[in-house]
Amino acid sequence: DVKVTQSSRYLVKRTGEKVFLECVQDMDHENMFWYRQDPGLGLRLIYFSYDVKMKEKGDIPEGYSVSREKKERFSLILESASTNQTSMYLCASSPQGLAGGKETQYFGPGTRLLVL
Amino acid sequence: GESVGLHLPTLSVQEGDNSIINCAYSNSASDYFIWYKQESGKGPQFIIDIRSNMDKRQGQRVTVLLNKTVKHLSLQIAATQPGDSAVYFCAERVNTGFQKLVFGTGTRLLVSP
Repeated sequence: DVKVTQSSRYLVKRTGEKVFLECVQDMDHENMFWYRQDPGLGLRLIYFSYDVKMKEKGDIPEGYSVSREKKERFSLILESASTNQTSMYLCASSPQGLAGGKETQYFGPGTRLLVL
Repeated sequence: GESVGLHLPTLSVQEGDNSIINCAYSNSASDYFIWYKQESGKGPQFIIDIRSNMDKRQGQRVTVLLNKTVKHLSLQIAATQPGDSAVYFCAERVNTGFQKLVFGTGTRLLVSP
């Protein structure tokens, strides 16, 4: 079974703090993703990475950065946390897509971040 | 409690009933679709997928139907059980040259014993 783990289930931070969210997958997947999930808005893509040291902006990258130093680990960084970044953060991974292949993304359990 | 799921459309069914959850997708060029189930406090879990060259796919107790003419996807759950209670949402792969998924906002399924 694919396993995607996230370092924390719940996190409480103060405005202005630097926040690190860690994600690890054990299936040797090339692609990794960070989303945030808010009521009524669904999942929105923050950043993704298709290879080590590669990163691409998603739909809402402002206020976030990422790091992928190893294939299995993808970190999301909030340089200076703000209250509007209070949300559920979900990490996902998927294998390299091939024509006709499966591109299902597998999700971690999520980190619920509260910024005070 | 979890705030994910507030403001969602809700489908309430009795245990044993068949459930149908609908999803309208946006891009006629999307070529791959997935249904996810998200239980309270957990990450989304893959249920079933379908490619655009198919119009129906069956799994264990679940069936996905795809109508490309009207850009509509549905998930049918047979003999719904209380453990099926969750938020269900669809995702479409927009063919941008990378496997980017666009997610729907979801439907909450409530199953009463």
